[in-house]
Amino acid sequence: NAGVMQNPRHLVRRRGQEARLRCSPMKGHSHVYWYRQLPEEGLKFMVYLQKENIIDESGMPKERFSAEFPKEGPSILRIQQVVRGDSAAYFCASSPSGSGQPQHFGDGTRLSIL
Amino acid sequence: DQQVKQNSPSLSVQEGRISILNCDYTNSMFDYFLWYKKYPAEGPTFLISISSIKDKNEDGRFTVFLNKSAKHLSLHIVPSQPGDSAVYFCAASPNGSGNTGKLIFGQGTTLQVKP
Repeated sequence: NAGVMQNPRHLVRRRGQEARLRCSPMKGHSHVYWYRQLPEEGLKFMVYLQKENIIDESGMPKERFSAEFPKEGPSILRIQQVVRGDSAAYFCASSPSGSGQPQHFGDGTRLSIL
Repeated sequence: DQQVKQNSPSLSVQEGRISILNCDYTNSMFDYFLWYKKYPAEGPTFLISISSIKDKNEDGRFTVFLNKSAKHLSLHIVPSQPGDSAVYFCAASPNGSGNTGKLIFGQGTTLQVKP
C-alpha cells in the first residue's frame, strides 16, 4: 500500500474526546475517499472529497463526524465526542479521478475508544 | 440492505489448485467492479477490475469473470499459492449522473491456501 499514508496507525481515545485521523493521498491523486470497517464486516463508504470540496458525504453520520481536504496538507477525518461505537478501522483511499479507476488504500487508523 | 454479497465467509484450497471466489450484487446500476486482497493490519490492495462492457479480464494468475444477467462476478486464482491466503473483498461502483465513484464492498471471503 505504498503511496497513501495514514496516521496515526493506532489511536486511543476516551469517551467524549476528539479523534483526528489524517490521510495523504498518492502523489498525483486529488480524489480522497474515507471508509470505515467495523469488526467482521466489509468496508463502508463514508465520504468523498476533492481538494477543498466535499463531493459526497452520504455515508457520514449526521452528527459528530466531519471531513476536510484543504488546499495544502492532508485530508482530515474528525470525530468529536467519541463513543464506544466509533471503535473501528478507518481507511483512506485515493484515485486520480472520481470514477472508473481503482482506488488505492492506506493501511488505516485503528481507533479504540476506552 | 447488502447490495454486494459474498456468501462464502471462507474458502480453503490446496496449493497449486484453482481458487474461485464469488460475489453477487443486486443493483443493476453498478458498472465497475473490483477485487481487493487484504492482510491483517493492512489496507486493501487492489488486484483486478472489470467494467460492465466486458465479461472477462485477466492479469497473470488472476481472472475476473462478470455475468451481468446473473449479477454475478467471480475471481479465479490459478495456481493458488500460500501467499494468496488473505481476505478477499469484491467491490462495485454505480454509474449514472452524479456517480462519485464510491465503492460498495462485500463482506469478504477468507481464503486459505494450504501447502
